[in-house]
Amino acid sequence: GQNIDQPTEMTATEGAIVQINCTYQTSGFNGLFWYQQHAGEAPTFLSYNVLDGLEEKGRFSSFLSRSKGYSYLLLKELQMKDSASYLCAPMDSNYQLIWGAGTKLIIKP
Amino acid sequence: GAVVSQHPSWVICKSGTSVKIECRSLDFQATTMFWYRQFPKQSLMLMATSNEGSKATYEQGVEKDKFLINHASLTLSTLTVTSAHPEDSSFYICSARTSGPREEQYFGPGTRLTVT
Repeated sequence: GQNIDQPTEMTATEGAIVQINCTYQTSGFNGLFWYQQHAGEAPTFLSYNVLDGLEEKGRFSSFLSRSKGYSYLLLKELQMKDSASYLCAPMDSNYQLIWGAGTKLIIKP
Repeated sequence: GAVVSQHPSWVICKSGTSVKIECRSLDFQATTMFWYRQFPKQSLMLMATSNEGSKATYEQGVEKDKFLINHASLTLSTLTVTSAHPEDSSFYICSARTSGPREEQYFGPGTRLTVT
């Protein structure tokens, strides 16, 4: 079956760094997306990895290891506005995104 | 990045009436659009996948006669909730997939539907 595993909730301090891990099992693989979702809003696109390695985009970086079925999202210089849910969504062989419940990130001053 | 719009952003309707929600890709052509539903504090649930010019593919458990999807052009898809009931109250979100080697998927801002 298809499965996504992320921590349910994480807490970090403003200005710090946090890494949100995601392991996945899918029928086929066509890349992995990370989205940010604030409460009551639609998800916003953060990153897309299709090859192994690290992709950096400003304060956010995303890493993928296809052989391990593993990805992480790294957030640096945390700001209060980064408090949100972070969704890891691999794309399966049918080009469908597979959704987990996401990780709720709480930033404390 | 690519922009996807939805209209309306929120709507309140009476039980038994129908509501149409529009989803537009503003600066790219989307051969495939997706409709999701999200209940409070729950994960996104895919309702259907629509390809331009063809019938939508519905996920198991989603009534195709109740949730009518029309993908009339490469930039517009509509979801019509027919004979709405209070249990249809939810957050409906569309997304559109770009074509090309990366096939990124962008979301609209969502439509909050309340059925009274």
